[in-house]
Amino acid sequence: GAGVSQSPRYKVTKRGQDVALRCDPISGHVSLYWYRQALGQGPEFLTYFNYEAQQDKSGLPNDRFSAERPEGSISTLTIQRTEQRDSAMYRCASSPLPQASGGRGQETQYFGPGTRLLVL
Amino acid sequence: GQQVMQIPQYQHVQEGEDFTTYCNSSTTLSNIQWYKQRPGGHPVFLIQLVKSGEVKKQKRLTFQFGEAKKNSSLHITATQTTDVGTYFCAGRNAGGTSYGKLTFGQGTILTVHP
Repeated sequence: GAGVSQSPRYKVTKRGQDVALRCDPISGHVSLYWYRQALGQGPEFLTYFNYEAQQDKSGLPNDRFSAERPEGSISTLTIQRTEQRDSAMYRCASSPLPQASGGRGQETQYFGPGTRLLVL
Repeated sequence: GQQVMQIPQYQHVQEGEDFTTYCNSSTTLSNIQWYKQRPGGHPVFLIQLVKSGEVKKQKRLTFQFGEAKKNSSLHITATQTTDVGTYFCAGRNAGGTSYGKLTFGQGTILTVHP
């Protein structure tokens, strides 16, 4: 597709349920990021991948959150046993370059439209 | 951990006035990026600054990276209603192994009154 796509766009779930959020990056993009954005705040880093390898998961809030990108393309962010505090906009971004260049070169991140998660 | 602070949080201007937002990092940055997010939209990349003291211009927008690579600014000359949105800076740490992690500021919300 032309841009990063995410599904579902909206998800309402009950506390305690598991949810899986999907990100389809721009074709050929090597790096994929997950962020969480609260209303009126900047995106908060969760984790990122180069190809299929998870490079940094230091931003995942706790062990209920996990992410995978098994074939180096589509990625899934899974939240187990959801809690009300998990309600937020979850954004995915992709970048054409592997994010290990030490800051050299263009590392534009292309954001998707996000998944709005509401935990009741 | 690294913190990136932006001021002001809100800025209301009359169309034609100038606007500046400032970004400060608690640590030295490898590079800094700026993004714009329109209401209801997603962040869109504007520019990346890499070198100490670097200044880049895009039409009415001027971006600066501090000499110490710990602060940055975005200046808009003669604002227009199309400039409305939230402007975020996002910094990448100079040290450590996680070059990929981008830390965003909380953003400056710009409203422009016609």
